[in-house]
Amino acid sequence: KQEVTQIPAALSVPEGENLVLNCSFTDSAIYNLQWFRQDPGKGLTSLLLIQSSQREQTSGRLNASLDKSSGRSTLYIAASQPGDSATYLCAVHYGGATNKLIFGTGTLLAVQP
Amino acid sequence: NAGVTQTPKFRILKIGQSMTLQCAQDMNHNYMYWYRQDPGMGLKLIYYSVGAGITDKGEVPNGYNVSRSTTEDFPLRLELAAPSQTSVYFCASSLTNYGYTFGSGTRLTVV
Repeated sequence: KQEVTQIPAALSVPEGENLVLNCSFTDSAIYNLQWFRQDPGKGLTSLLLIQSSQREQTSGRLNASLDKSSGRSTLYIAASQPGDSATYLCAVHYGGATNKLIFGTGTLLAVQP
Repeated sequence: NAGVTQTPKFRILKIGQSMTLQCAQDMNHNYMYWYRQDPGMGLKLIYYSVGAGITDKGEVPNGYNVSRSTTEDFPLRLELAAPSQTSVYFCASSLTNYGYTFGSGTRLTVV
């Protein structure tokens, strides 16, 4: 069964800290992996997309890595700010006939000023 | 530059009522999707479409129907609303299988 797990479910850090969010998936035959941000009561904003052939992607203070063989991805946030507070969702895309984007349950991040 | 537009943003239905959630995208994406998000449960795929005239079931299709008569529009129909369908519904689109763009969601309550 294709499952995506995110640990921790919630994380609280003081402003300025670097932090890592974790995502693991059971089926390594992925097409790509995408990290999203969701603010309370809002939709999903795409942060980073990593194709299966890539090892990492960077956007500003965000860096996402992908290790297909171990079924893991991490989202690294440098110098966290209160505005980073949100839920971060990892989603794994399995292409082909299933064409599924399978989501983890998310990590709720609170950055304390 | 609208992206994916969902209407309505909020709706309260009585048990047994019907409604259609609208979704439109202006990016000429071939793939479109409907997800529901329940608290603490992540997003579950309801239906998806790979192009106009083609739809298929996702993980949780029961109680819903879809149609895709144009590339731009992908409405989701609830025929007999049940309390279990209380959720937040998200529509998304993608070009081939590359990256997803989500709408802002429809919050539905069935009472």
